[in-house]
Amino acid sequence: AIRMSQSPSSFSASTGDRVTITCRASQSISSYLAWYQQKPGRAPKLLIYAASTLQSGVPSRFSGSRSGTNFTLTIDCLQPEDFASYYCQHYYYSPFTFGGGTKVEIK
Amino acid sequence: EVQLVQSGAEVKKPGESLKISCKGSGYRFSSYWIGWVRQMPAKGLEWMGIIYPGDSDSRYSPSFQGQVTISVDKSLNTSYLQWTSLKASDTAMYYCAVAENGFHAWGQGTLVTVSS
Repeated sequence: AIRMSQSPSSFSASTGDRVTITCRASQSISSYLAWYQQKPGRAPKLLIYAASTLQSGVPSRFSGSRSGTNFTLTIDCLQPEDFASYYCQHYYYSPFTFGGGTKVEIK
Repeated sequence: EVQLVQSGAEVKKPGESLKISCKGSGYRFSSYWIGWVRQMPAKGLEWMGIIYPGDSDSRYSPSFQGQVTISVDKSLNTSYLQWTSLKASDTAMYYCAVAENGFHAWGQGTLVTVSS
């Protein structure tokens, strides 16, 4: 099975910061990668798919990129509503594993 | 609007069986895979498995193969997640989601508590 290594597991940031979360796949997954946001007590929400395509309705301050088997989620100008947990997931072939998650906390 | 509505919270004893449901609406149910995801208390997301309602083709994570059964009744636009003998370690929130370029729509989750 493909392993997804996500880092960091948590960090603190301030409103207005630019933040970056990284996900590394254990083998090539082409661009079959999605990013999700999850707030406490809520179901996850799809932010980005195909590594860099913004899901409809997601603010443009979110972006995704790929370099080989390394993937990055960037949030420009962090907003109060962005403090949440973020997960990557590949969907190259089953099982479509998730990364371990990154919790973004308020500094 | 794509919507998935899951069955309500369950409290069960170890060794009991359970079947939870996920009903889809607002899209062609038979044409999209539906997946199930576990989230244990204060932990991350775990991909359990996926099923195609059109022909009931299913795939499981090795971690969950043999531990749960994913099924579907396309006449009811509903997918199910089933256990035959629950363990305390099955206590978790379980989500269903529609798979297309990742999971683009999610149910609200079903909390399963297993305790003696």
